[in-house]
Amino acid sequence: EADIYQTPRYLVIGTGKKITLECSQTMGHDKMYWYQQDPGMELHLIHYSYGVNSTEKGDLSSESTVSRIRTEHFPLTLESARPSHTSQYLCASSEGTWGYTFGSGTRLTVV
Amino acid sequence: GENVEQHPSTLSVQEGDSAVIKCTYSDSASNYFPWYKQELGKGPQLIIDIRSNVGEKKDQRIAVTLNKTAKHFSLHITETQPEDSAVYFCAASPSGTYKYIFGTGTRLKVLA
Repeated sequence: EADIYQTPRYLVIGTGKKITLECSQTMGHDKMYWYQQDPGMELHLIHYSYGVNSTEKGDLSSESTVSRIRTEHFPLTLESARPSHTSQYLCASSEGTWGYTFGSGTRLTVV
Repeated sequence: GENVEQHPSTLSVQEGDSAVIKCTYSDSASNYFPWYKQELGKGPQLIIDIRSNVGEKKDQRIAVTLNKTAKHFSLHITETQPEDSAVYFCAASPSGTYKYIFGTGTRLKVLA
């Protein structure tokens, strides 16, 4: 009974294409996050939002952008995909500090 | 800034044995310490957490201990089962922020 949804689960796309990874949550959480997970498992925060119209860059520099127009929706966009963007992208949400809920992730491959 | 170190990076145990994963953090103001389990093809799931005003918390076969003086916390899994095989992450939340600093993960394998 996942309350946070990421689509697509898998995406293979050519270099130079524009892509948007979708993330939606039904819990009414005000805080949402995007993490990039490398093959070595580590989780790197790339974007976060503490509410509508509020977005901040995370600890890992990323060429992606995000928007937060609605509480439940936090999409991530890459204007021009490159092979270096190949990774697993995880979306999470929370109410306050206690306990992030993660989505199942989008595995992106740029060829 | 806050840093969280996690050890070991891989751990293999026989079914029925205990597993212990340790984390240390650098920011003494951190006040919340969750543990996540990530199974293959899924996102991390919260399995247990502890706040800085508590020294130990237990939930069935899993427990977490916190030593604020030494700035380390540990995950203990007893009577391990094959379904415990996964990657486990610790995290610390510095006071005044909603962001987590994650450890580098431990790949646990429970051998039947």
